[in-house]
Amino acid sequence: NAGVTQTPKFQVLKTGQSMTLQCAQDMNHNSMYWYRQDPGMGLRLIYYSASEGTTDKGEVPNGYNVSRLNKREFSLRLESAAPSQTSVYFCASGGTVEQPQHFGDGTRLSIL
Amino acid sequence: KNEVEQSPQNLTAQEGEFITINCSYSVGISALHWLQQHPGGGIVSLFMLSSGKKKHGRLIATINIQEKHSSLHITASHPRDSAVYICAVNSGGSNYKLTFGKGTLLTVNP
Repeated sequence: NAGVTQTPKFQVLKTGQSMTLQCAQDMNHNSMYWYRQDPGMGLRLIYYSASEGTTDKGEVPNGYNVSRLNKREFSLRLESAAPSQTSVYFCASGGTVEQPQHFGDGTRLSIL
Repeated sequence: KNEVEQSPQNLTAQEGEFITINCSYSVGISALHWLQQHPGGGIVSLFMLSSGKKKHGRLIATINIQEKHSSLHITASHPRDSAVYICAVNSGGSNYKLTFGKGTLLTVNP
């Protein structure tokens, strides 16, 4: 019963470095989401994928790219990390009028 | 865009007290969610509501669609209930996107 798995759990980067956050779900959900969570703010949607092969921008997409590799996996890439991208990143999957979204445990990312 | 406001932002209680957290939203919704996040932890769904009331153990969630308001109640609170409680709404449409409140930090002291 893994649900939504995010890797890594923690990461420290220097400004300008790149990295990819990985997310995989085993619940056969069509939709997947990437959020960021910052102190004093609600979760904000970065990108989402309604189904395999499609991706769309959310509320705060600047500085990020995503890939929906297959139905299970949805990755988030920071091409040139900036201190403003220091945050906790959550991946989620699913969500319908009958079932809630399922969240991963988060990735705590610090950019120096 | 649907605005979601939660109150209070912070709440401290003594073990055993009855807790109420409120959530208001600005436009029509298809569903409202209550989520729980323990310090340093992941996010879990507690309730998903489109009308009425739901109960799970010591937790009760209610929603008033006409007033665009929901409440989360915790009876006989316990220190393990200490967490951030987040309200989120889905406004309908083809993609199930959520708009989140900023969360309520609950601390229950023994």
